[in-house]
Amino acid sequence: GAVVSQHPSRVICKSGTSVKIECRSLDFQATTMFWYRQFPKKSLMLMATSNEGSKATYEQGVEKDKFLINHASLTLSTLTVTSAHPEDSSFYICSARGERSSTDTQYFGPGTRLTVL
Amino acid sequence: AQSVTQLGSHVSVSEGALVLLRCNYSSSVPPYLFWYVQYPNQGLQLLLKYTTGATLVKGINGFEAEFKKSETSFHLTKPSAHMSDAAEYFCAVSDSWGKLQFGAGTQVVVTP
Repeated sequence: GAVVSQHPSRVICKSGTSVKIECRSLDFQATTMFWYRQFPKKSLMLMATSNEGSKATYEQGVEKDKFLINHASLTLSTLTVTSAHPEDSSFYICSARGERSSTDTQYFGPGTRLTVL
Repeated sequence: AQSVTQLGSHVSVSEGALVLLRCNYSSSVPPYLFWYVQYPNQGLQLLLKYTTGATLVKGINGFEAEFKKSETSFHLTKPSAHMSDAAEYFCAVSDSWGKLQFGAGTQVVVTP
């Protein structure tokens, strides 16, 4: 299957700082990338959908000014958590989907564990 | 709108025994259904998916699932559990835009 990477895998930051998480599709072009958040022992919650070259679409209840998403190329999307607070601590997972169909398989990255002190 | 219900948040099976994970879905359109596995502190790996065609779908690691429209179910099975099957399993349904709606997950524990 296709490979999606995330960087960093773990990050610890102080409250009030901003953190950027990168999601890359390594061996295919991803026209659409998704960002999820997963709380401990919980399911994945879709935060936003990003399409290359356009603004991200955020799910209801997700603050777009706090979670900035950029999808500047067909292989890279970034999620920036701005002015992070302890309640933003979570496991963030991205997924990427190729061009062929909106119902094609999403390939998931390994996740990024964010801890805000 | 789509939704997924996974029956049983925890399942314990003996090594070599049948693994059965239940998933029921709700969808206003013909569903695309997926099973993913997640190992601790990792992302999700696709086990198998159903889009159209044959209702019995075979996936990786010996898993298979059967789409039953009349029962709105997509249960996951494996004839013989292995210790390496211990993980969290998620059933998901895709809408027409390709957005996935996940179930709550089922934690599988395999005992020797």
